Amino acid sequence: GENVEQHPSTLSVQEGDSAVIKCTYSDSASNYFPWYKQELGKRPQLIIDIRSNVGEKKDQRIAVTLNKTAKHFSLHITETQPEDSAVYFCAKRDNNDMRFGAGTRLTVKP
Amino acid sequence: DAGITQSPRHKVTETGTPVTLRCHQTENHRYMYWYRQDPGHGLRLIHYSYGVKDTDKGEVSDGYSVSRSKTEDFLLTLESATSSQTSVYFCAISEQGKNIQYFGAGTRLSVL
Repeated sequence: GENVEQHPSTLSVQEGDSAVIKCTYSDSASNYFPWYKQELGKRPQLIIDIRSNVGEKKDQRIAVTLNKTAKHFSLHITETQPEDSAVYFCAKRDNNDMRFGAGTRLTVKP
Repeated sequence: DAGITQSPRHKVTETGTPVTLRCHQTENHRYMYWYRQDPGHGLRLIHYSYGVKDTDKGEVSDGYSVSRSKTEDFLLTLESATSSQTSVYFCAISEQGKNIQYFGAGTRLSVL
């Protein structure tokens, strides 16, 4: 499987602002794209996911968009809060091959 | 959290010694995975299992072996640990037909 590139590696925003994290990939077989949040010293936890037949999915303040033609997908967090501070990982799955991005450390300043 | 237990949670060992990490699940999920997490690399798949005695290699399988003799247990073995295997190891599980993977709490391994 091919890897996934994630940007930016660090992101600092003011409380209440929006945060956007973008991931790109190069293969055509991946059909599932999850996002995980990992707080310091904790396990990664799924926060939202999207399948390749869907272009956008929203869950309260979190949304994910997928552009399969351009091979990129993004995580959008609106009205950020200090508790959103964590490392976020994108991933893509092709059968049993799950590849993760290197992560984005998001800091929300109160 | 899904019923996943990793043991030990922390281990310090010496280069050249064998090490076995255990992942135990109470969810009866078919699929189990071992990942390692290193700064700048995210999570990388080492091996996975799609049933009892059915395993396959992942992206970074060299130096690791696995075994699954029961649905609930997936063991990761470092036959002869090296300093490059110092990492945090996560186990994950998923149901057949479902994409979502649930992670265990992790094992921090230091090889000196």
